[in-house]
Amino acid sequence: EVQLVESGGGLVQPGGSLRLSCAASGFTVSHNYMSWVRQAPGKGLEWVSIMFSGGGTYYADSVKGRFTISRHESNNTLYLQMTTLRVEDTAVYYCARDPRSHAGFWDWGRGALVSVSS
Amino acid sequence: QSVLTQPPSVSGAPGQRVTISCSGSSSNIGARYDVHWYQQLPGAAPKLLIYENNNRASGVPDRFSGSKSGTSASLAITGLQAEDEADYYCQSYDNSLSPFYVVFGGGTKLTVL
Repeated sequence: EVQLVESGGGLVQPGGSLRLSCAASGFTVSHNYMSWVRQAPGKGLEWVSIMFSGGGTYYADSVKGRFTISRHESNNTLYLQMTTLRVEDTAVYYCARDPRSHAGFWDWGRGALVSVSS
Repeated sequence: QSVLTQPPSVSGAPGQRVTISCSGSSSNIGARYDVHWYQQLPGAAPKLLIYENNNRASGVPDRFSGSKSGTSASLAITGLQAEDEADYYCQSYDNSLSPFYVVFGGGTKLTVL
């Protein structure tokens, strides 16, 4: 059974940093296309970043240069390093699995809440 | 402002049929990128409903169907049930923003009357 469990969320001040983790089970992270998708309170879904199975990465314009996606094969975990955080980055962050690129997000975690506030 | 446009809300009585539209442009849906649909129940994570335009995800009832034509797509729900009350999102890709860019619709809230 595929399972995704996010952790690392919390309250941080503007300009601060935070690292989210997404522990995967039931499949191999490095064999899939793994994304982070966020949802601000009361708002819609916004794609944040993707890591391809081959290691390539892409980012939404709103986070480019501030966020870094990575993975660790030994513990089958996806990460999102977030720096220079802004109030508008406040959201629930979901990790999601696309099994073969452009196939949609077949599995989602429950999400981790990131609150950026002074 | 979302790249894909959905109506903010739709409603229908139990047993009725409703459709949710998703309008894009030549750089996303019209560029032959597939459209995927998600259902988000209150307080829950999104769940894949329809992938690659018209394929139901595992366990999704055949009351849900998807279609795509030109620069638009739609989700149809027949035999509406109270449990269908949720937010629905369409998703595709856009080649005008980056070599790889995921775009979502703004979401549609379905109310079962």
